[in-house]
Amino acid sequence: EAQVTQNPRYLITVTGKKLTVTCSQNMNHEYMSWYRQDPGLGLRQIYYSMNVEVTDKGDVPEGYKVSRKEKRNFPLILESPSPNQTSLYFCASSFTPPHRGRTNTEAFFGQGTRLTVV
Amino acid sequence: AQTVTQSQPEMSVQEAETVTLSCTYDTSESDYYLFWYKQPPSRQMILVIRQEAYKQQNATENRFSVNFQKAAKSFSLKISDSQLGDAAMYFCAYDQTGANNLFFGTGTRLTVIP
Repeated sequence: EAQVTQNPRYLITVTGKKLTVTCSQNMNHEYMSWYRQDPGLGLRQIYYSMNVEVTDKGDVPEGYKVSRKEKRNFPLILESPSPNQTSLYFCASSFTPPHRGRTNTEAFFGQGTRLTVV
Repeated sequence: AQTVTQSQPEMSVQEAETVTLSCTYDTSESDYYLFWYKQPPSRQMILVIRQEAYKQQNATENRFSVNFQKAAKSFSLKISDSQLGDAAMYFCAYDQTGANNLFFGTGTRLTVIP
């Protein structure tokens, strides 16, 4: 079954304790990205990756890191989490960067990770 | 930066009736894509429908259709014969060619009344 898998689904942590949210896709997609969802703000992109070893900042990258050592995995790293990073996080993947040329490929989303930083 | 506006935080519809969710966006580009995503209580993001800006014909997917007004930068979603399973948060999203970034609106929570 084609899917994007995030772990953990729920996480409560304390300020300053490094954490990693994993994301893995089994569709051989080149493009992967991370979003955070906050009430009244919709989803905002944190980082994206167009392929292995290629990553770039989205709209709200501060306080986050990512890596893309393998095509299937795109972990989100919070080196020193703070309460303002309490949010719902989504990983997404697709075959090509959205809208390269005239062919748009559907973005597949993971099931989300609810992170609480106290 | 592109902005997507959903002016209706909440909407409700009677089962089997029709409801329209509004979305406007701001862009100076002529080539782009627009989407409606559904987020049920399970939190999963599900693509409902997509529209390519260069296509004049409005996209349809079964009971879901859009009214795409390019000049007005408007992209509304019409849900016909509403069902209880349609209850969810709906997000409008914009995607510019080559931008690699989905811009989402703030969402509209749809309630379906039995």
